[in-house]
Amino acid sequence: DQQVKQNSPSLSVQEGRISILNCDYTNSMFDYFLWYKKYPAEGPTFLISISSIKDKNEDGRFTVFLNKSAKHLSLHIVPSQPGDSAVYFCAALPNRDDKIIFGKGTRLHILP
Amino acid sequence: EAQVTQNPRYLITVTGKKLTVTCSQNMNHEYMSWYRQDPGLGLRQIYYSMNVEVTDKGDVPEGYKVSRKEKRNFPLILESPSPNQTSLYFCASKQLIPNYGYTFGSGTRLTVV
Repeated sequence: DQQVKQNSPSLSVQEGRISILNCDYTNSMFDYFLWYKKYPAEGPTFLISISSIKDKNEDGRFTVFLNKSAKHLSLHIVPSQPGDSAVYFCAALPNRDDKIIFGKGTRLHILP
Repeated sequence: EAQVTQNPRYLITVTGKKLTVTCSQNMNHEYMSWYRQDPGLGLRQIYYSMNVEVTDKGDVPEGYKVSRKEKRNFPLILESPSPNQTSLYFCASKQLIPNYGYTFGSGTRLTVV
């Protein structure tokens, strides 16, 4: 049973527009969420995180929104750039647990 | 530079020939883990270790072994590789407290023929 779901395997966005990547989770005990970015032939790299006590965290062009009542988070990239083309993994950390649970990833294509 | 180093980056081997993928981290992290990435399946945890001499199974441990004799090293061992172990493998490490997520290695692409 998937606890962290990224329902869109891929997404194409025009350069300069907003990219919105979505993630749903089922476990209300998750208290920290992260987004990782992965280029081909490289390991995932940490992008941005959010604690469950917040509903928004912003870092430059990247903003993560958390809606706890809907058990949903989203990553917004504005404006989208060609270098943003990558696979994005949503991940969740359960409270009082060391495990990190990953979604299956969304491949983002930024179109010229 | 803080990093997780895994070797080799690419490996082609034959069914049944034992192999080891090495992983080393220089951040004094307690927790280390191995993942495999397959199309449509995302990142799946193979084994993890919370400290020296402490290892435990992840979600897909069959066909793999690990050891944690030193804090910095966490090798992945395939005693008798099979074609269904053809995959992209990532080693990762993190602190236990605070738990802010992993630092990943660059990956090992393994092909078993």
